[in-house]
Amino acid sequence: KNQVEQSPQSLIILEGKNCTLQCNYTVSPFSNLRWYKQDTGRGPVSLTIMTFSENTKSNGRYTATLDADTKQSSLHITASQLSDSASYICVVSDQTGGFKTIFGAGTRLFVKA
Amino acid sequence: EAQVTQNPRYLITVTGKKLTVTCSQNMNHEYMSWYRQDPGLGLRQIYYSMNVEVTDKGDVPEGYKVSRKEKRNFPLILESPSPNQTSLYFCAILDRGSYEQYFGPGTRLTVT
Repeated sequence: KNQVEQSPQSLIILEGKNCTLQCNYTVSPFSNLRWYKQDTGRGPVSLTIMTFSENTKSNGRYTATLDADTKQSSLHITASQLSDSASYICVVSDQTGGFKTIFGAGTRLFVKA
Repeated sequence: EAQVTQNPRYLITVTGKKLTVTCSQNMNHEYMSWYRQDPGLGLRQIYYSMNVEVTDKGDVPEGYKVSRKEKRNFPLILESPSPNQTSLYFCAILDRGSYEQYFGPGTRLTVT
């Protein structure tokens, strides 16, 4: 069964610190992997999109990595800000290109002053 | 930029009273989808549509219907809502060229 698992479930860090969120998936065949940021009660917003051939993708202070061989991805947040407090969701699509998507349960990040 | 609108944003209803949540887009994207989000479970796909008059079931379609009579609209219909359909619902569109998926603002539904 296609699955996407994220860890940790929640994380508390101090403002200015870095952190790394993990995503493991079993979706096959694989098309692309996306990381989203979701503020409470709002729709997810895309941070990065990576296809099979990409190893890393950056978006400002967010850097995602992908190892398609081990089926692992990470999202690294540099110099965290209070506004980074949100849920971060890993989403994997099969080779229909996005029609069938599997969402991870998310990592809830709390950034404290 | 792609924009997805949903209405209503909040709805409280009673068991068995039919309701429709509307979703519309301002682009010409073919692919639209409905998800529900429950605590600890992440988003789960209810139905998706690859084009006008083309719809298919997602992972949790039971108790829901959809229609796609025109490209810009993709309403979600609950013929006989039940309390287990209390959830946060999101409509989304997909840009097949970039794989970018844009979500609506969400509809919080409570069924008593």
